[in-house]
Amino acid sequence: GENVEQHPSTLSVQEGDSAVIKCTYSDSASNYFPWYKQELGKGPQLIIDIRSNVGEKKDQRIAVTLNKTAKHFSLHITETQPEDSAVYFCAATPISSGSARQLTFGSGTQLTVLP
Amino acid sequence: DAMVIQNPRYQVTQFGKPVTLSCSQTLNHNVMYWYQQKSSQAPKLLFHYYDKDFNNEADTPDNFQSRRPNTSFCFLDIRSPGLGDAAMYLCATSRSTGTRVFGPGTRLTVL
Repeated sequence: GENVEQHPSTLSVQEGDSAVIKCTYSDSASNYFPWYKQELGKGPQLIIDIRSNVGEKKDQRIAVTLNKTAKHFSLHITETQPEDSAVYFCAATPISSGSARQLTFGSGTQLTVLP
Repeated sequence: DAMVIQNPRYQVTQFGKPVTLSCSQTLNHNVMYWYQQKSSQAPKLLFHYYDKDFNNEADTPDNFQSRRPNTSFCFLDIRSPGLGDAAMYLCATSRSTGTRVFGPGTRLTVL
C-alpha cells in the first residue's frame, strides 16, 4: 500500500518569512495530492491540491510543487501570517483507482508563525 | 453554504455507555467516511459508505458501527466506549473518489 512521509514534524518561522513542508510517497499509482490545514479543535480543511499531470499550482500565498520522478511534493507558504499557524497534512491517493478509501495521510506538520 | 455538519461538537460519556455521533451533509455527495483522530496524529479511517455499500477497515474494532439511513445522514455508534476511544471523530464526504470534505469533528471524552 501507499506510504507518505512528511517533514518536518514541527516548523517555526517568523511572520513574513516563507515556510516549506515536504512529503514523499511510495506508490507510483498515486496521482492526486491534496493538502489539508487543521486548526486547533477543527476538522481538516483542503487548502490546495495538485494532480500528477501538473508540476506546480499556486493560489495566492500558497503553492504546491510535484516531482513525479522523485515521488515528492511540497507545500510552500510565502509571507506567513500568525493565522497560518496550524497543523498541515499532505495526502496521496490513486484517484483513478475507483476505490474511495485510498487516501493516505502524512504524519502532519505543526507550523507556528511567530509575530 | 453546502457543508458537512457534525453533532454534537463535544460529547462526554461514561466508560461502557453507548454513544452515537451524527453527521449530515448538504453537498449531495455519495460517499461518507468516519475517521478517528488522536492528538498529534493523522486521521485514521474507520469505515465508509459508498452509496449504500458499507466498507469496514480491517483494523476497525467491532465496538464501532455505522448507519447511513439516507444520502444526507450518517451515524457512528460506539457500543461500549473504553478510555482508549477518547478522540476526535471526523466525518467526511466526497463525490465518488473525489476530494474529501471534512466536518468540524466531535470531541469524545470517556470518563
